[in-house]
Amino acid sequence: LAKTTQPISMDSYEGQEVNITCSHNNIATNDYITWYQQFPSQGPRFIIQGYKTKVTNEVASLFIPADRKSSTLSLPRVSLSDTAVYYCLVGDRGRAGGGADGLTFGKGTHLIIQP
Amino acid sequence: NAGVTQTPKFQVLKTGQSMTLQCAQDMNHEYMSWYRQDPGMGLRLIHYSVGAGITDQGEVPNGYNVSRSTTEDFPLRLLSAAPSQTSVYFCASSSDRSSTEKLFFGSGTQLSVL
Repeated sequence: LAKTTQPISMDSYEGQEVNITCSHNNIATNDYITWYQQFPSQGPRFIIQGYKTKVTNEVASLFIPADRKSSTLSLPRVSLSDTAVYYCLVGDRGRAGGGADGLTFGKGTHLIIQP
Repeated sequence: NAGVTQTPKFQVLKTGQSMTLQCAQDMNHEYMSWYRQDPGMGLRLIHYSVGAGITDQGEVPNGYNVSRSTTEDFPLRLLSAAPSQTSVYFCASSSDRSSTEKLFFGSGTQLSVL
């Protein structure tokens, strides 16, 4: 099973670029890497997903090296409102194989943005 | 477009009481699931459904029942509430079961069992 490891917490300041790295040494060939964001008192929200190289959307960028054993979520010019928990997930093999039921939301990375 | 709607937002129960947490989605999603989140922990899967009439257990199913009579609704029933079930409960849905599909979450139900 592809498990992920990410820092428990990170601090940064408004206007900075923040990079959160996730390791997933046992990622399988067909697994995708997905990141979710969770604000206090809300459910998680999808941010970005990728398979290899680089993916960019209006919110973030995701960098995945060739060996795919890690990935980095990059948040450009963060603001106070980016304070949240960020989860890195790898498409996991559930009991029936490959389903959302096999995804593991670990403890995530608690990102705190200061003024 | 309401997305995933959970009710109630807050609930206090006494040990032994039963109740149903409601979840409804208006996106015609086939896959729905229930998670619980305890302080400082990630989300743990309780039950899930891949379509009307089909449900299965997740990581922590004991003490909970589910049913899926319609595509839109996926209620979670606590049969006899225990203090260990004090938690925040999230319902989620996606267009299908694939792990690459976006999960859409509700805003949660905070449950306290005394």
